[in-house]
Amino acid sequence: EVQLVESGGGLVQPGGSLRLSCAASGFTFSSYWMSWVRQAPGKGLEWVANIKQDGSEKYYVDSVKGRFTISRDNAKNSLYLQMNSLRAEDTAVYYCWVSSSPSFDYWGQGTLVTVSS
Amino acid sequence: QSALTQPASVSGSPGQSITISCTGTSSDVGGYNYVSWYQQHPGKAPKLMIYEVSNRPSGVPDRFSGSKSGNTASLTISGLQAEDEADYYCSSYTSSSTPWVFGGGTKLTVL
Repeated sequence: EVQLVESGGGLVQPGGSLRLSCAASGFTFSSYWMSWVRQAPGKGLEWVANIKQDGSEKYYVDSVKGRFTISRDNAKNSLYLQMNSLRAEDTAVYYCWVSSSPSFDYWGQGTLVTVSS
Repeated sequence: QSALTQPASVSGSPGQSITISCTGTSSDVGGYNYVSWYQQHPGKAPKLMIYEVSNRPSGVPDRFSGSKSGNTASLTISGLQAEDEADYYCSSYTSSSTPWVFGGGTKLTVL
């Protein structure tokens, strides 16, 4: 059974940092692109970043470029999101997401990040 | 990186059919057959309902169907059931600087 379990969320002040983790199991983690998707309270889904199987390619939504860094450790079957210079508008539930054609599509349960003073 | 355009809400009575639209551009919806639809119940993670425009994953009822015309994709739910009440999101691969884009979401109310 595929499982994605996020952790690391919490309350942080504006300008602060947080590191999210996603522990993957039930599939060959090193064979898939991995993504982070977020959802602000009462709002829609927003794709944040993704990373290639070997970590050699990374892409980010414009609003987090230069502040967030996605990484992975294939030996630990883990995905990470280092978030620096956090802003109020980064407040959201952050989901770990794996999707591959044709229908391999799994989400974690999400971890809540709240940026507030 | 504009979100795909969906109606904010739709509603229907049990047994009826509804359609949710998802409008993008030739750089996303219109340019690729990588349009997916997700169902999300409150407090839950999204669930894949349709992939590659019109395909259903195993376990998704055939009441759910997808299609695409030009830059607009559509999700149709026939024979509405109370359990279908949820938020629905479309997503598409895109040739922009970010590979994936989601729609703003549509709240389906079963009257």
